[in-house]
Amino acid sequence: AQKVTQAQTEISVVEKEDVTLDCVYETRDTTYYLFWYKQPPSGELVFLIRRNSFDEQNEISGRYSWNFQKSTSSFNFTITASQVVDSAVYFCALSSLNTNAGKSTFGDGTTLTVKP
Amino acid sequence: NAGVMQNPRHLVRRRGQEARLRCSPMKGHSHVYWYRQLPEEGLKFMVYLQKENIIDESGMPKERFSAEFPKEGPSILRIQQVVRGDSAAYFCASSPPGTGVYEQYFGPGTRLTVT
Repeated sequence: AQKVTQAQTEISVVEKEDVTLDCVYETRDTTYYLFWYKQPPSGELVFLIRRNSFDEQNEISGRYSWNFQKSTSSFNFTITASQVVDSAVYFCALSSLNTNAGKSTFGDGTTLTVKP
Repeated sequence: NAGVMQNPRHLVRRRGQEARLRCSPMKGHSHVYWYRQLPEEGLKFMVYLQKENIIDESGMPKERFSAEFPKEGPSILRIQQVVRGDSAAYFCASSPPGTGVYEQYFGPGTRLTVT
């Protein structure tokens, strides 16, 4: 069975602070994909990043960066110099090749509030 | 190329009525997935369909819920005799053949409210 745990239910920071959202996953498959999505107050899902299990390189995109560590089954997301517009619910998700392709497992999300 | 479209965006039903949620996948996508997001929770997989076939319905409640993806037209998620606990956001995603494990495009969701 697959599982994604986002232990932080809510995080509140002040603008310009850095913030890290944690994601820990469980899977028995060797080939899998990890995702982060943003859900702003408007409710839609915004895709942020995909990482496959064979690529442990960290990635940076502007103020966003991701740290994938297979050894600890973690895929953490850091926002540098946070802004009010970053306020949203962030979801980590997992899908694997051997488990019915396309059946993504989502964490329960972390609600990030960035105060001015 | 238009994205995944879902309608209606908001749907209000009284207890006992039927709810029909529609999902039009992106052009060229023949695979559709439905997810449900209960308040304060993450998305939960419901069903995975290809044209005219249900591939995996392991996340569908056993009663009152059904899904189809006909040869022509949108995918439909049908909820019969709705109850208050069905109030949720229902998201549809689509993918081209063979890519669903790493590439799903999500629609804007349908927010169902049962009164």
